[in-house]
Amino acid sequence: DADVTQTPRNRITKTGKRIMLECSQTKGHDRMYWYRQDPGLGLRLIYYSFDVKDINKGEISDGYSVSRQAQAKFSLSLESAIPNQTALYFCATETRTGNEQFFGPGTRLTVL
Amino acid sequence: DAKTTQPPSMDCAEGRAANLPCNHSTISGNEYVYWYRQIHSQGPQYIIHGLKNNETNEMASLIITEDRKSSTLILPHATLRDTAVYYCIVRVDLRLQGGSEKLVFGKGMKLTVNP
Repeated sequence: DADVTQTPRNRITKTGKRIMLECSQTKGHDRMYWYRQDPGLGLRLIYYSFDVKDINKGEISDGYSVSRQAQAKFSLSLESAIPNQTALYFCATETRTGNEQFFGPGTRLTVL
Repeated sequence: DAKTTQPPSMDCAEGRAANLPCNHSTISGNEYVYWYRQIHSQGPQYIIHGLKNNETNEMASLIITEDRKSSTLILPHATLRDTAVYYCIVRVDLRLQGGSEKLVFGKGMKLTVNP
């Protein structure tokens, strides 16, 4: 079984809809991250959380919100989706010492 | 902004060593060099990291110059499955500065392994 899972894997939605992307991990890591990737570009950080009570904005947090429901779960919400949020979204986990981030399989989101 | 510079692409013949360069001329003493790769649209995969000594694991070797301003990732016997985008990233040791440093991904370098 995968250590970091993301649901859904693919989603097509319309402008203005509220969307939630979910991430779950069985690695027991404290740190979790949400990234987005646009075609031909590297990953950009949206939000990150170093433990259940800690939430931090990344470089492109506008239009997004997150919830860290438990150590194992970190959800990303688009309150009112817009077409330029069409992208590939990745969740990642990491230990406190940060030697390695473990990435989920990604969610491909299309906003029409 | 990414603190590293990589060529946009490179080709390698299957079975040969692939040497992937990275420049990080502004690296500071407490920053590690990390390498990740992303195969097609999968989640990035950690490969290796190092501070100043050369490192080797089951996937690759990392050679860091003595002045630490550049490094080379070596895939000793490239296979078709090594075709991917490779990211070279510098990052402060998380055990320092409150552990707040994030990974910053640039555009990476596309390695194509040809049969």
